[in-house]
Amino acid sequence: GESVGLHLPTLSVQEGDNSIINCAYSNSASDYFIWYKQESGKGPQFIIDIRSNMDKRQGQRVTVLLNKTVKHLSLQIAATQPGDSAVYFCAEKNQGGSEKLVFGKGTKLTVNP
Amino acid sequence: KAGVTQTPRYLIKTRGQQVTLSCSPISGHRSVSWYQQTPGQGLQFLFEYFSETQRNKGNFPGRFSGRQFSNSRSEMNVSTLELGDSALYLCASRELTGAVEAFFGQGTRLTVV
Repeated sequence: GESVGLHLPTLSVQEGDNSIINCAYSNSASDYFIWYKQESGKGPQFIIDIRSNMDKRQGQRVTVLLNKTVKHLSLQIAATQPGDSAVYFCAEKNQGGSEKLVFGKGTKLTVNP
Repeated sequence: KAGVTQTPRYLIKTRGQQVTLSCSPISGHRSVSWYQQTPGQGLQFLFEYFSETQRNKGNFPGRFSGRQFSNSRSEMNVSTLELGDSALYLCASRELTGAVEAFFGQGTRLTVV
């Protein structure tokens, strides 16, 4: 069956350091991979997405890398700030078929001042 | 532009009862999806509606149902509540079906006692 998982449930970094959050997926048919950030008491917030025909995409302070060979996705956050503390989810979406998002379990990022 | 609005924010129900949750999407968004979030299972897709039609359904029992109105507002209903239905229920809207970015509401926290 399809599944999207995460390697680590928690990640703690120092303010100013770079953070790397990893994700493994199993559905080769997924067209889009998306990262969401969820702060306490809030719904998930879209961060960045990457299409399956790309291997890298950059946003503001964030970079997503996609390695289809090993079915691995990562989110890199540069100069991590206390406001980045949240749970991060990767999700996959199949553009051609079901439009549902399949989420991973999430990684809790804690930024220490 | 107002975000996705979910009501109520918190709800306590007794086993066996039924519950209706409401979601008002962002103005102009016609696609609405529902997700259940629990600590054990994470975020799981319930169903998606577009133009008052259910387009996709997740692997949930028939006790879970939903609908969408002509103004794109959506409701989901859970009948014969079980303790395991306690969760955060999230609604997400998209501008067009097929759009990648989904905007989530803050969710309704349902507790079944």
